[in-house]
Amino acid sequence: IVMTQSPATLSVSPGDRATLSCRASRSVSSNLAWYQQKPGQAPRLLMYGSSTRATGISARFSGSGSGTEFTLTISSLQSEDFAVYYCQQYNYWPQLTFGGGTKVEI
Amino acid sequence: EVQLVESGGGLVKPGGSLRLSCAASGFSLSSHNMNWVRQAPGKGLEWVSSISSSTGFTYYADSVKGRFTISRDNAKNSLLLQMDGLRDEDTAVYYCARDGNWLPVWGQGTLVTVSS
Repeated sequence: IVMTQSPATLSVSPGDRATLSCRASRSVSSNLAWYQQKPGQAPRLLMYGSSTRATGISARFSGSGSGTEFTLTISSLQSEDFAVYYCQQYNYWPQLTFGGGTKVEI
Repeated sequence: EVQLVESGGGLVKPGGSLRLSCAASGFSLSSHNMNWVRQAPGKGLEWVSSISSSTGFTYYADSVKGRFTISRDNAKNSLLLQMDGLRDEDTAVYYCARDGNWLPVWGQGTLVTVSS
């Protein structure tokens, strides 16, 4: 299964709203997670089940979608939100698949 | 505190071998599905291998099947990855990650460089 993220790079300003997309080559139901990764750091889980925030994740982050189309929205971007974001399907565990990433830059 | 710490990375020649370890603390590794995920320099994340907590079954990406072996050392509460027949394209940071669906716990990663 192939996960495709768009855009590859998103240029936004602090305070803006950012919308990131993830498309699966076939249905993954709601079995989709999102991660944030900053340079030199391990990925951090943001969302699972398409729309459930992980522990400690700000309500600025919201997720939606099911089947093949998913969206991660970051409302009012803060400086600490500039990072690379990955989607990951787990519908076909153990064959976990990640998208190619979206870099959110200033 | 729940934590994963990888070790064992380094520089190895093509065709060589390396064994990675992932030490778990704050939880029993044998009670969780465990995974290795890698990231080539400047690239995205790639699932490498998983081991089931309930069955002990192991699973591999096609790119490493037959060359890598995942296992657990329950006495040391550690996850292992034996990597044989290493290739240039195996160069990456290798992360261990906990659980079998979404991955809420990651180690800091260990860098494996395959080069002559």
